[in-house]
Amino acid sequence: DAKTTQPTSMDCAEGRAANLPCNHSTISGNEYVYWYRQIHSQGPQYIIHGLKNNETNEMASLIITEDRKSSTLILPHATLRDTAVYYCIVRGQTTGANSKLTFGKGITLSVRP
Amino acid sequence: GAVVSQHPSRVICKSGTSVKIECRSLDFQATTMFWYRQFPKQSLMLMATSNEGSKATYEQGVEKDKFLINHASLTLSTLTVTSAHPEDSSFYICSARTGYNYGYTFGSGTRLTVV
Repeated sequence: DAKTTQPTSMDCAEGRAANLPCNHSTISGNEYVYWYRQIHSQGPQYIIHGLKNNETNEMASLIITEDRKSSTLILPHATLRDTAVYYCIVRGQTTGANSKLTFGKGITLSVRP
Repeated sequence: GAVVSQHPSRVICKSGTSVKIECRSLDFQATTMFWYRQFPKQSLMLMATSNEGSKATYEQGVEKDKFLINHASLTLSTLTVTSAHPEDSSFYICSARTGYNYGYTFGSGTRLTVV
C-alpha cells in the first residue's frame, strides 16, 4: 500500500471548516484513500473513502486531486467533538489476510472554542 | 451499521497472570479480524490478523506464544496476553472488515494495565 504524509497537527476555530491535507504521491490506480479518526482512548472511526471522484457524506467531504497524489478531508463546521487524530490511509481492495489496514502517525486536529 | 463489541474496556492484572480480550462482530460475520496495540502518544500498530478457523498471522516482532489469538467462530475473536508484564500495558484494539464499502469497523479498545 502507498505511503501517506500528513502534517503533525493543526487547529481551527469551532464552527469553521477544517481542511486536513494528505499527500500520497505513490498511490497506484486501484488504491483508495480512506480517512479514519480516533478520539482519545477510543477505537478509530471510519469517516469516508474515495477512489478518484470527490465524495461527501454526513460527516465530511473528501477532495482528491486529479492526479490523485493528494487529498483533503473537509469537516465543514468543526465542533469541539471533532478534536481527534485523523488518519489518511491508502490501500487497495484486497481481501483476506492481505487486507490489513496500516496506520501512520495521523494529524492531530484541535478545535478551539 | 456494522458494530464491533470489545470487552473488557479496562482491565488491571498482576504480573505473570493471563488476560483475555474478546472481540465480537454483532450484526455481521467477520472471517478476518485484526488486533492492534497502541502505546501512549503513538499510532496503532498491527499485531496480528485473525482468520476464522485457521491460525493467526502475526506481524514481525510479535510473539505468537505470548499473544494467543483464537478465532473460533465468524463473530468472535479473542486475544489472550499470557504471562503479562508491565511492558504489556497498552491499549488493545480489534477491528473487523465489513462488507460495506470495504471498510473496517473498530472495537472501542481495551486498556490493559499490568501491575
